[in-house]
Parts: sequence; structure tokens; C-alpha cells
Amino acid sequence: GAVVSQHPSRVICKSGTSVKIECRSLDFQATTMFWYRQFPKKSLMLMATSNEGSKATYEQGVEKDKFLINHASLTLSTLTVTSAHPEDSSFYICSAASETGQETQYFGPGTRLLVL
Amino acid sequence: AQSVTQLGSHVSVSEGALVLLRCNYSSSVPPYLFWYVQYPNQGLQLLLKYTTGATLVKGINGFEAEFKKSETSFHLTKPSAHMSDAAEYFCAVNFGAGGFKTIFGAGTRLFVKA
Repeated sequence: GAVVSQHPSRVICKSGTSVKIECRSLDFQATTMFWYRQFPKKSLMLMATSNEGSKATYEQGVEKDKFLINHASLTLSTLTVTSAHPEDSSFYICSAASETGQETQYFGPGTRLLVL
Repeated sequence: AQSVTQLGSHVSVSEGALVLLRCNYSSSVPPYLFWYVQYPNQGLQLLLKYTTGATLVKGINGFEAEFKKSETSFHLTKPSAHMSDAAEYFCAVNFGAGGFKTIFGAGTRLFVKA
């Protein structure tokens, strides 16, 4: 149980385009989902927390207009990187927490984004 | 301020040797504690967690960790390292507030020598 998927696993795009990453909880309902960014050989940096049906809460320094987050259902959250630039290239990881065990996060496999 | 510290960015052990990865946290209240493992180009996999109850927690792949409140520590151990244990390990804490936001340590890369 507690499986989280991400799609796509990797994406290459041209500078200026937008990219959407999906995060799904496959066997549980996720009231809260988290989006992280991980730089090479670094720890995870929390970007935002999203709760189903409400606006995401962004961490300080994260541009909410650039990283659009939508948590439309209890099993799906999306992160859209708008007008991507090479500096947005990174490994993006989502996690989900269920209503019954909010202290534990289950992670997706990550999405490698490369912006040319 | 609440924080989590992993001592040692790199740890190298021989196959069959004891694995000890250190984690200390800073908080006035006991947090929820986690260890995650990350293999290259993959997400994080939960190894084990402490929420309440027994302070010695057993996880997957033969790992265990002990919550020591007096030392504010949650060190991860495995009696005998295997080559497949080579990976990045993250200690994480969750203080049960602010939307159950989790704070991650910087990570420790474990190398296992044949």
C-alpha cells in the first residue's frame, strides 16, 4: 500500500515552454501533497504544500506564478512549471500524506526535468 | 529553531560490517522521526519511522533505529552491510504542526566496499 506515482519520469523541453508534472496516490486518498525540488547531491527542498480543494502554500522564495500547483482531487496533484528556463532543470519529487496518517509522507519516484 | 542534523555526509563501510548513520534533531518537543533511502534517480523510500511507543524501531532491509529523547537522536543501524545498501539516506523529522511539514537532513551517502 501507500504507492505514489509521478508522470512523466523525465522530460526535456525548450526554454519558454510549460511543463506539467502529475502526482497520484494510487491506493489511498491524499489530503495533503508536497512538492520538493532536489539539486544534485543535495537534500530535498520543500517548494509547496497542497491540500485538496484549496490553494497551495508556497515556501519562502518559491515563485507561485512560476510553479503552479493544483490539487483537484484526493488522488491527484499537478505541478506546472511555466515558461521554463534552464535554471529550472532539476529533479522534482512529490509526496503524499493520507488523512489517517498525516505525519508520514510517501514519495513518488521523481521527475527529471531538463530545460534546453 | 527546529532542525535535523546528519553527522557525516559520507560513510564508508566494508560489506558485512556494522552500519551506523547518525541523526540528531533540535526541538523542545519530541517529533515524529523518519529514515528514508534514495537510490540514484529515484524517489525516497520509507525505511522506518517513530511516532509513539517503543523507542527501538525496526524497518525494512534489516535496518533499525532507536529514539533517544535524552540525546535528541535517532541513529540508524544495520548489523551487517550489504552491497545493495549503498545509497543516500535521509533522516527527517515532523513536528506535527504547520500541515505536518517534514524537515529533512542533508543526507548521508553510504558506500559499501567489497
